[in-house]
Amino acid sequence: EPEVTQTPSHQVTQMGQEVILRCVPISNHLYFYWYRQILGQKVEFLVSFYNNEISEKSEIFDDQFSVERPDGSNFTLKIRSTKLEDSAMYFCASSDGRSPPYEQYFGPGTRLTVT
Amino acid sequence: QKEVEQNSGPLSVPEGAIASLNCTYSDRGSQSFFWYRQYSGKSPELIMSIYSNGDKEDGRFTAQLNKASQYVSLLIRDSQPSDSATYLCAVNVPAAGNKLTFGGGTRVLVKP
Repeated sequence: EPEVTQTPSHQVTQMGQEVILRCVPISNHLYFYWYRQILGQKVEFLVSFYNNEISEKSEIFDDQFSVERPDGSNFTLKIRSTKLEDSAMYFCASSDGRSPPYEQYFGPGTRLTVT
Repeated sequence: QKEVEQNSGPLSVPEGAIASLNCTYSDRGSQSFFWYRQYSGKSPELIMSIYSNGDKEDGRFTAQLNKASQYVSLLIRDSQPSDSATYLCAVNVPAAGNKLTFGGGTRVLVKP
């Protein structure tokens, strides 16, 4: 069963540092997403990515954040100058996007702790 | 602000009973609807998707969709202790890159 993978599973960083979260989407999928979930809160959409460009981004996804597909398999989320409030679970998801219902499959997540 | 609303629970059901979960959404442009199961500290796991009005069954799970009422539900038959989790309702927004908007989840507790 193909699955989305994410590394690292847990990242601890100091405020002001940059982090890169990595994801390997399901191999034949074309649409990629990042979501985050602050402890005890809803899962929130950050950004969607298709054909090597951002297709949609939320208000949360400001200049502090960027995404990249550096090669044919990886999809990364970079957070610059981390803040305490960036502490959350970050989930990558992917979809083949070919026909409705456009199911999205989530990776296991990266727990980011900013101290 | 487009919203997805769920009762937070906990919904306590005895083992073997039917658990019934409800979700309402505000964006009439939503096209597809999903139920994810999330165990504590884990990622959302897709258990059901539904696109057309009516019922869709998959094993012990049945999803029901009523677009006119902007309502989607999930039935879990023969509930097992392993079904104890938070169930997240999500709707996609085709006009926004098919992003998912999530409800806050319903916590289900299945008691042996």
